[in-house]
Parts: sequence; C-alpha cells; structure tokens
Amino acid sequence: AQSVTQLGSHVSVSEGALVLLRCNYSSSVPPYLFWYVQYPNQGLQLLLKYTSAATLVKGINGFEAEFKKSETSFHLTKPSAHMSDAAEYFCAVSDTSFQKLVFGTGTRLLVSP
Amino acid sequence: DAGVTQSPTHLIKTRGQQVTLRCSPKSGHDTVSWYQQALGQGPQFIFQYYEEEERQRGNFPDRFSGHQFPNYSSELNVNALLLGDSALYLCASSFEEVDEQYFGPGTRLTVT
Repeated sequence: AQSVTQLGSHVSVSEGALVLLRCNYSSSVPPYLFWYVQYPNQGLQLLLKYTSAATLVKGINGFEAEFKKSETSFHLTKPSAHMSDAAEYFCAVSDTSFQKLVFGTGTRLLVSP
Repeated sequence: DAGVTQSPTHLIKTRGQQVTLRCSPKSGHDTVSWYQQALGQGPQFIFQYYEEEERQRGNFPDRFSGHQFPNYSSELNVNALLLGDSALYLCASSFEEVDEQYFGPGTRLTVT
C-alpha cells in the first residue's frame, strides 16, 4: 500500500525566508507524487507534480520539489516566503497517474511579517 | 469557465439520517472522484465514477454510495449517518480517469 508522511504539522517562517516542507513516501511501484495547497474554506489546488520525468519539478507561485528515490522524499521548497503562502499543504502519492490520490496529514505553513 | 461546483456548502444532519451531496464537474471533464477530509487530516479517497460506473473505491463501508449522471455530474449518498462521518467532502473532476484532478470547495457535513 502506498502512503506519505509529512513531517511537522506546523511550520513557521518569516516573510522572505526559505520555505521547506517535508514529505516522505512509500510505494511498491514508481510513484506519481503531488503537492497541493488548501486555503481556508477552499478546495485543493495543485502546486506541482512528479511523473517520472525530471526529478526537479517546478510549480506555481515559485514552489519547487525534488524527487529523491534513494531517500524516498519529495520535499517542497520556496526560496522566499510571502504572506500569501500561508495555507495548508498536502503531499500526495498515486500509482495510477493522477487518480486515487493518497494524501498525507498536511502541514500548516505560517508566515510572519 | 466554471470550475468544480458542489452543493450544499454546509449541512447539519442527525445520527441515523441519510444525506446526499452533489457535484458538477469542470467543463470538459467526465470523471468524478469523491474524498472525505476529517478535521486535521488529509483527504481520503472514497470512490471514482467514470461513464456512470464506479471504477475505483477506497476503504469505505457500503453506507457510502454514489451515482454519476449522463451529464457527468455526481452524487454522494451516505446512509445511517454516524458522528464520525462529520467531515469536509471534496469532489474532484478530471478527463478520462487519467488527467489531473481539479477539486471543488467541498461540502461541510456536521452530524449531531
């Protein structure tokens, strides 16, 4: 069975600081990996996805993630945090393209001025 | 271009009752998936509908059932509601089971 583990239920950064949200996955087959963002009272929005092409994936809003098979990780980063980045972030895995996503428990990103 | 829409936005039900949630997919999409997101948790896959049939199902009891209509819209039905069914129910649509899923804003169900 596939699963993802997100380390840290809350991450706090200052505006302009590096954002690092951690995600480790478990999969018996080559995985498809995703990062989604959820703003209050809204649905999920896809930030970026890994589908076995380039290991460094660039997404929207300046976010990127690197697939590291040896570490079974897919951490999300952004060089400089903005106040508007404050939200809940979910890592997800699938073995069937974009369907039947298995989500982690989420990390709430707090950005202070 | 309207995205995924869900109704109602909020719903309060009593234990033992039945509830129906509705979802209209994004224009051009023909596949609908449903997820349950309990408070403080990530979404959990309930099931997926394509061509009016349930194609995949997650680890949810038979109390959870669904339907897809010819216009690709979908309903999620939950019978014999339990307190533990209180959650945000998210609908996601995609094209032909293989494309990126677009999520709706969800329906917040509270069971008292």
